[in-house]
Amino acid sequence: GENVEQHPSTLSVQEGDSAVIKCTYSDSASNYFPWYKQELGKGPQLIIDIRSNVGEKKDQRIAVTLNKTAKHFSLHITETQPEDSAVYFCAASTHGQNFVFGPGTRLSVLP
Amino acid sequence: DTAVSQTPKYLVTQMGNDKSIKCEQNLGHDTMYWYKQDSKKFLKIMFSYNNKELIINETVPNRFSPKSPDKAHLNLHINSLELGDSAVYFCASRARTQETQYFGPGTRLLVL
Repeated sequence: GENVEQHPSTLSVQEGDSAVIKCTYSDSASNYFPWYKQELGKGPQLIIDIRSNVGEKKDQRIAVTLNKTAKHFSLHITETQPEDSAVYFCAASTHGQNFVFGPGTRLSVLP
Repeated sequence: DTAVSQTPKYLVTQMGNDKSIKCEQNLGHDTMYWYKQDSKKFLKIMFSYNNKELIINETVPNRFSPKSPDKAHLNLHINSLELGDSAVYFCASRARTQETQYFGPGTRLLVL
């Protein structure tokens, strides 16, 4: 089955700096890769996703890149703000079925 | 107009009890899920269900059973609760033609 690894487990950055979180997956059949943000006491919220036919996607300060050959994808947050502090999860799935989540990255943006 | 809602938000109960957690989605989605998030924040799927098929993660004890009275609801019933069942349980839903899953706010279960 699919296995998703995520690094780093914790990340602290200064406000205004960039943050990068990396994930790798094992199943070459996976073709949908969402990123979720989970704030304290809340459920995971989708922030961006990418499909295997695309190498990069950007939405304002957030971007995701995908390298299908190497089976890894990354989340990039630029100009970080204190409200970006949360736990971020990557996931891999095949056509939206059977999401397998990474273990999460706790991001702290220091003012 | 919450998309995916869960009740209760908090549930504290004694070991050995039977309890249910309710989930409702008003998105018109076809498939619903239950996830368990442990103390280390790791999210694991427990069940995937649409009106035709129930897929169970083989690691889930048979004390856990999903019940769907209709397409918009997927409740989770847990028999003979154990200390290790303490976790946050999330419901999620997805449209059959889309990949994105939408999560509820979670139910924090504490078994004493």
